[in-house]
Amino acid sequence: GAVVSQHPSWVICKSGTSVKIECRSLDFQATTMFWYRQFPKQSLMLMATSNEGSKATYEQGVEKDKFLINHASLTLSTLTVTSAHPEDSSFYICSARGLPGTGGLFGQPQHFGDGTRLSIL
Amino acid sequence: DQQVKQNSPSLSVQEGRISILNCDYTNSMFDYFLWYKKYPAEGPTFLISISSIKDKNEDGRFTVFLNKSAKHLSLHIVPSQPGDSAVYFCAASDDGSSNTGKLIFGQGTTLQVKP
Repeated sequence: GAVVSQHPSWVICKSGTSVKIECRSLDFQATTMFWYRQFPKQSLMLMATSNEGSKATYEQGVEKDKFLINHASLTLSTLTVTSAHPEDSSFYICSARGLPGTGGLFGQPQHFGDGTRLSIL
Repeated sequence: DQQVKQNSPSLSVQEGRISILNCDYTNSMFDYFLWYKKYPAEGPTFLISISSIKDKNEDGRFTVFLNKSAKHLSLHIVPSQPGDSAVYFCAASDDGSSNTGKLIFGQGTTLQVKP
């Protein structure tokens, strides 16, 4: 159980292109999904928290107009990197957390997708 | 400001022996701690968690210990197996009070288990 699917796993595109990444919880419902970015040999840095049916909450320093997040259903969140440039090249990972109350006092742990390697030429 | 720190970037142990991975945190509001395992080009896989009301949680070969006064937690893997070789991330949350579910991750420790 608790499978999170992320698609695509690898994208190479030209500078200026917009790229959409999908994150789906396959066997559970997730009111909250998270988007992370990881640079080589570094930790996962939270970019934004995505809540179903409402606007995403972005972490400090993350451009909301650059990284558009949509969470239209309890099983799908999308991250669109708009007008991507080489400095946006990174490993993007999403995670999903089960519905509140389904895992005890502290809810369910986050379950992660396999990430998307984005390379902007 | 690194609120969650894993000061050992790497650890090498012999198969069958115990692996001990350490994690320190600075925010006393953290009340939920998790360990994740990550292979290259994959997302992290949840291993085990512990809430601040406990000091130990065990699941098979994995045991997490929490020392709140020292703001320190550790993951013990025994016996270690070659398949345990991966990067291990410690993560913390103040979910009990904030309910945001936000996790703060450490930098990771690369574990190598030698046959």
